[in-house]
Amino acid sequence: DQQVKQNSPSLSVQEGRISILNCDYTNSMFDYFLWYKKYPAEGPTFLISISSIKDKNEDGRFTVFLNKSAKHLSLHIVPSQPGDSAVYFCAASGRSSNTGKLIFGQGTTLQVKP
Amino acid sequence: DTEVTQTPKHLVMGMTNKKSLKCEQHMGHRAMYWYKQKAKKPPELMFVYSYEKLSINESVPSRFSPECPNSSLLNLHLHALQPEDSALYLCASSQRTPQGIGTNEKLFFGSGTQLSVL
Repeated sequence: DQQVKQNSPSLSVQEGRISILNCDYTNSMFDYFLWYKKYPAEGPTFLISISSIKDKNEDGRFTVFLNKSAKHLSLHIVPSQPGDSAVYFCAASGRSSNTGKLIFGQGTTLQVKP
Repeated sequence: DTEVTQTPKHLVMGMTNKKSLKCEQHMGHRAMYWYKQKAKKPPELMFVYSYEKLSINESVPSRFSPECPNSSLLNLHLHALQPEDSALYLCASSQRTPQGIGTNEKLFFGSGTQLSVL
């Protein structure tokens, strides 16, 4: 039972354009969402997060949007840079769940072409 | 120091070997985690230590044995592993324990140990 889903395994965009990565979740008890970025042979690094009391959080080139009614969140990167090429994981947790642990999506590989 | 350090980076072991993975953080974080990640799959939680005590075991086989000697160190002892245990093993830490993780908490991950079991 996949509670966090990233349905696009890969995405390719041109440098300077917008990258939009999508994530869907099924558990309505999730109240905190994060995006992690992972380069090969490295651990995931935290990128940006959003609490369920908000619908948008922005940090520089990165913006996360949350649509609670649709159980959907997205990560926008603008402008995209070649250094953004990596695997992006969406993750969710619920304070009211039994453990509060992070549940990860399968990841989306982003390639930004120069 | 905002790093989680894992050693070794790569490990090859036979099914009869005993080995240990090590993890260290000096951020004063109170929770430490072991995750397992297979190729093209998301990280999966194995164990959580809160205040140096095992708080979550995600039904991990006993051939994996975690240990938290102190608040900065986390070990994963490996014995009689199977080839299907080959994966990237990630250590992580967070300032607060999992029960607080829904309140704007995040995990800091190490680079992982790439384990191959022959």
